[in-house]
Amino acid sequence: DQQVKQNSPSLSVQEGRISILNCDYTNSMFDYFLWYKKYPAEGPTFLISISSIKDKNEDGRFTVFLNKSAKHLSLHIVPSQPGDSAVYFCAASSIGGSEKLVFGKGTKLTVNP
Amino acid sequence: DARVTQTPRHKVTEMGQEVTMRCQPILGHNTVFWYRQTMMQGLELLAYFRNRAPLDDSGMPKDRFSAEMPDATLATLKIQPSEPRDSAVYFCASGPQETQYFGPGTRLLVL
Repeated sequence: DQQVKQNSPSLSVQEGRISILNCDYTNSMFDYFLWYKKYPAEGPTFLISISSIKDKNEDGRFTVFLNKSAKHLSLHIVPSQPGDSAVYFCAASSIGGSEKLVFGKGTKLTVNP
Repeated sequence: DARVTQTPRHKVTEMGQEVTMRCQPILGHNTVFWYRQTMMQGLELLAYFRNRAPLDDSGMPKDRFSAEMPDATLATLKIQPSEPRDSAVYFCASGPQETQYFGPGTRLLVL
């Protein structure tokens, strides 16, 4: 039973355009959400997070949107750059619970020059 | 530039052999996690520690896997005996709380 789902295994966009990566969750106890980026042969690196008390968090070219009623979050990258090509993992946790993160299976983003 | 280190980076072994993976968490981080990444399951949490005490190892096959923190600078994950289905990339991560910092991983192949 997957609690965090990334339904698109891959996404390809043109350099300069917007990349939108999606994530759905089923556990209503989740109240903290994160995105990690992973390059080949490296460990995942933290990108951006959002608490359930917000619906948007922005950091430079990266914005995460949270729709609690739909149990859906998305990561927007604008403008996309070739260096953004990586696998992006969505993760969720319940702050009041423990530090355990539940990860989605990832979406491989390719940004074409 | 503080980072999580893992050794070895790659390991090829034969079925039935013991495998030990090591992790040095970032100094000052009191929570350490072990994950396994496979194509089918994605990133799965195997076990985690807080202040060196095991908090949750429910993701780990108990009969063959064991995880320990002999001291604050070393975490180990052991598989004995190893099986071909254990082939995966094993990541260690440390963090103050939800924001976890991952090591580069140990790529394990069991023949």
